[in-house]
This record gives sequence, structure tokens and C-alpha cells, in this order.
Amino acid sequence: DAEITQSPRHKITETGRQVTLACHQTWNHNNMFWYRQDLGHGLRLIHYSYGVHDTNKGEVSDGYSVSRSNTEDLPLTLESAASSQTSVYFCASRTSGETGELFFGEGSRLTVL
Amino acid sequence: AQSVAQPEDQVNVAEGNPLTVKCTYSVSGNPYLFWYVQYPNRGLQFLLKYITGDNLVKGSYGFEAEFNKSQTSFHLKKPSALVSDSALYFCAVRGGNAGNNRKLIWGLGTSLGVNP
Repeated sequence: DAEITQSPRHKITETGRQVTLACHQTWNHNNMFWYRQDLGHGLRLIHYSYGVHDTNKGEVSDGYSVSRSNTEDLPLTLESAASSQTSVYFCASRTSGETGELFFGEGSRLTVL
Repeated sequence: AQSVAQPEDQVNVAEGNPLTVKCTYSVSGNPYLFWYVQYPNRGLQFLLKYITGDNLVKGSYGFEAEFNKSQTSFHLKKPSALVSDSALYFCAVRGGNAGNNRKLIWGLGTSLGVNP
């Protein structure tokens, strides 16, 4: 069965360190997204991609970057982790077009000390 | 500004009773509406969507939702709640002029508790 997997599921890091969260999907979806989920804020879009070599900033992109070198993967990098980036991060994918639903990974819980 | 509201942070119902989780929206154009469910420590799962056609849409796990254009609402319903329905529910709306870049707007979620 097709799926979307995130790793690591849990990570603790220190302020200032670089962190990369992996996202891999086998749906063959062109569109991929990174969200963060925080209490009181719901889901907020960080970055998204509509295809290989395409990346776009979402509403809370500062301090984050993504790259899309193939269809399956969209890693999220925190260049210099800050305590404000402590959150649960979700990767999602969907087919091209606006009517398709999102398929989410299980999430990566990041703690920045 | 476009927005989605889930007016209740928490809804509690008894098992076997009907449940409703409310969602209202304010977007331009014809909206595409979605409901997702999140169980503890899990990712979100798609429940159902309204794109066009019949205003009553049926989805996974016995859930349904009714699109009401005049009231700009898309409430999620289930005739008989189960304890296993206890979860966090999110409404999401895509609105604006048609195209591939319309933003998906999320509600803040409603926590549903079903008591045995």
C-alpha cells in the first residue's frame, strides 16, 4: 500500500543546531506540504512543493527550508533551531489540482532546548 | 479576509447519541470543503469532502456533512456516536478564484469526547 512516512518521529536538539526532518511518500503525488501543529494555532503551512525542483514559502517559513530533488521526498531543514520551533511537524501530499484530499504522515515531534 | 471557524473547542456527547461538530467559513468563490480527524499522537486522516453536487456528503466511519451555502456552513454529523470517535476534528476550506494555487484554510480544531 502507498504511504507517507516521516523520520525521526521524536527528536530533541539544542538551540542553534541544524535539524532535518525527512518525509517520503510512495503515492507518486506531485504536491507535498509541511505543516506545524501548535496548541491554539491549529495547522500552519511552512513550505510546499508542486513538483520536482519547485518549492514555495508558506505562512510560517522563516527559519525553515526545503528542497525537492525527486517526487518522493521533501526534507524540511531547520537551519539554526530555536525554542520557538518546538512543535509537532506534519508532512502531507496530494494529487495535483484542488479537489484532492491530503494524506498525512504520522508526525515528527521536535523539542528544541 | 478568508477564514474558517470551528466555534466549539470541545464537544461532549454520550455514546449512541447523535453528534454534530460545527464549521462555518468565509471565503470568496465556490468553496471546496474538507473534514479531517486526528487521533492522539497520529497524523490527520481525511474523512470527507464537498466539491460540487449533492449538499449531503457521506464519508468514512459513518460520518456525513451538509454543505449549506446560505449559512456558509459545513457541519460534520454522525447519527450514533461511538467512544472510538473521540478525537480532534479539523475543518478546512479552499476558496477564492479557481486555480491551482488557492490556499487551504484550516479551522483550529474541535475536540470530540464520547462518553460510554
